[in-house]
Amino acid sequence: AQTVTQSQPEMSVQEAETVTLSCTYDTSESDYYLFWYKQPPSRQMILVIRQEAYKQQNATENRFSVNFQKAAKSFSLKISDSQLGDAAMYFCAYRRLGNTPLVFGKGTRLSVIA
Amino acid sequence: DTAVSQTPKYLVTQMGNDKSIKCEQNLGHDTMYWYKQDSKKFLKIMFSYNNKELIINETVPNRFSPKSPDKAHLNLHINSLELGDSAVYFCASSQGAPFYGYTFGSGTRLTVV
Repeated sequence: AQTVTQSQPEMSVQEAETVTLSCTYDTSESDYYLFWYKQPPSRQMILVIRQEAYKQQNATENRFSVNFQKAAKSFSLKISDSQLGDAAMYFCAYRRLGNTPLVFGKGTRLSVIA
Repeated sequence: DTAVSQTPKYLVTQMGNDKSIKCEQNLGHDTMYWYKQDSKKFLKIMFSYNNKELIINETVPNRFSPKSPDKAHLNLHINSLELGDSAVYFCASSQGAPFYGYTFGSGTRLTVV
């Protein structure tokens, strides 16, 4: 079974600085998809960024980018120019091909310090 | 217009009661899910339906019964509620291709007292 590990239960960053959240996963598949979701205090789950495993180029979405290392099974999220609104739980998730469920890591709580 | 809507948002009930949570999506997605988020924020799949057909049924007590009257609706009925059922329950939907991830509802916080 696939597993997703987020080794940092909590992280903090100063406003306007950069922070990197770690994620590793375990799979025997060669093709799959990876996601980062944000859950602010409102509880809503918001898709931040996604990556297809067969693409070597790292995905970017404005201030959010990933460092995808397929051989190392690592998928870290970098947040640049951190803003107060970035404070949230961040979940890394894995999905293999087919009509399969998302498998989530346990999350990292990010605090942003003004 | 909300894409995935769950009702109610909050539910407080006594042990032993039966309750339902409703979910509707207007995205035209074929697949819908129920996830449970426990007090430590861990999200775990419970059920998945594709076009009204149950395709995933994880190890969940049989007091939990999902029902999908059509592909836009997936309800969750819980019998004989227990204290350990207290959690946030999320409904989600997705298109078939895994690239798209999920669209989540806003969650239902269930508190059993």
